[in-house]
Amino acid sequence: DAGVIQSPRHEVTEMGQEVTLRCKPISGHDYLFWYRQTMMRGLELLIYFNNNVPIDDSGMPEDRFSAKMPNASFSTLKIQPSEPRDSAVYFCASSFGRGNQPQHFGDGTRLSIL
Amino acid sequence: GNSVTQMEGPVTLSEEAFLTINCTYTATGYPSLFWYVQYPGEGLQLLLKATKADDKGSNKGFEATYRKETTSFHLEKGSVQVSDSAVYFCALTSRQAGTALIFGKGTTLSVSS
Repeated sequence: DAGVIQSPRHEVTEMGQEVTLRCKPISGHDYLFWYRQTMMRGLELLIYFNNNVPIDDSGMPEDRFSAKMPNASFSTLKIQPSEPRDSAVYFCASSFGRGNQPQHFGDGTRLSIL
Repeated sequence: GNSVTQMEGPVTLSEEAFLTINCTYTATGYPSLFWYVQYPGEGLQLLLKATKADDKGSNKGFEATYRKETTSFHLEKGSVQVSDSAVYFCALTSRQAGTALIFGKGTTLSVSS
């Protein structure tokens, strides 16, 4: 079974540039989550979708961040303009159903903003 | 609100030693509890879960018991291996909190031979 696929694995760019992170969830999963991981703050939920509809975006840090899910097999997280403090590992996860169903994580995108 | 507290790391053990990583939680209602493991350069993987009080989750020699009276979900393994070196995250979900996982800050385990 293919897991959650994220691209790119690594991204290095200069501040002010637009960054787009991509995620393909596991087929059949109806929930998709975006997380950010840093040493200082640990794992933070940014936003999650159910059936392609954003349900909770209260974790999105600023208007510079936006996320879309145009269909059940693809989601993007965009940062525009990027800043050095956005440097982190960004994870996408998907799950089927609510509550006690486990989330399956991708390998993450390591983002460095210079 | 809902939260998860894990013991601070790093935890450094010799191979075949006994492992305990403490986890306590605060939640409204009846949460489901999870342990995830993150190996270097990888995403998180579900290690085990428990969905109601007194349930024991187990996998790969790891165990954790859902203790409602002490609001705890401590992770244990009787004999660790070098390959167990990773970061371990305790997490919860609850109907009241929605579907999202609430994670502890993670505990780094380093096992030497």
